Amino acid sequence: DADVTQTPRNRITKTGKRIMLECSQTKGHDRMYWYRQDPGLGLRLIYYSFDVKDINKGEISDGYSVSRQAQAKFSLSLESAIPNQTALYFCATSGTAADQETQYFGPGTRLLVL
Amino acid sequence: SQQGEEDPQALSIQEGENATMNCSYKTSINNLQWYRQNSGRGLVHLILIRSNEREKHSGRLRVTLDTSKKSSSLLITASRAADTASYFCAGGGSNYKLTFGKGTLLTVNP
Repeated sequence: DADVTQTPRNRITKTGKRIMLECSQTKGHDRMYWYRQDPGLGLRLIYYSFDVKDINKGEISDGYSVSRQAQAKFSLSLESAIPNQTALYFCATSGTAADQETQYFGPGTRLLVL
Repeated sequence: SQQGEEDPQALSIQEGENATMNCSYKTSINNLQWYRQNSGRGLVHLILIRSNEREKHSGRLRVTLDTSKKSSSLLITASRAADTASYFCAGGGSNYKLTFGKGTLLTVNP
């Protein structure tokens, strides 16, 4: 079983709709991250969380919100989706005792906003 | 803003050749990491080099880091068709955040 899972894997929605992307991990990591990837732009950090009570904005948080429901779950919401939020979204985790810096990525959610 | 800038943006080589990708970064880092992404899939960590290290090896991978020039290079030796992917460098700071570059698309032709 994958250590970091994301649901849904693909989603098509319409402008103005609220949607939630979910991330779960079985790695026991404290730190979780949400990124978006656009062609030619690499990955940009949206939000990150270092534990259940710690949520921080990343580079591009406008138009997004997050919820850390448990150590293992970190959800990303688009309150009112717009077409330029069409992207590939990745969740990642980090925080093993032996390696605090390496991040482990989920398979991604491909989102299309019409 | 992007931390790293990879060079070249795209690289095409024949199987068996070596592939070298370069990364320049802007701010000070604690470590520099390289990740690989097969088309449309999640990133996979390849190797991490700390700011006090100059060179590191892992299998067919060799990474160098020059903090005075704020640059790193990733060398893949004896490339295989299965190495075809995008490769990203990412600068790690003291706060466990990574800032990624835009990536190099490597194509290894059989």
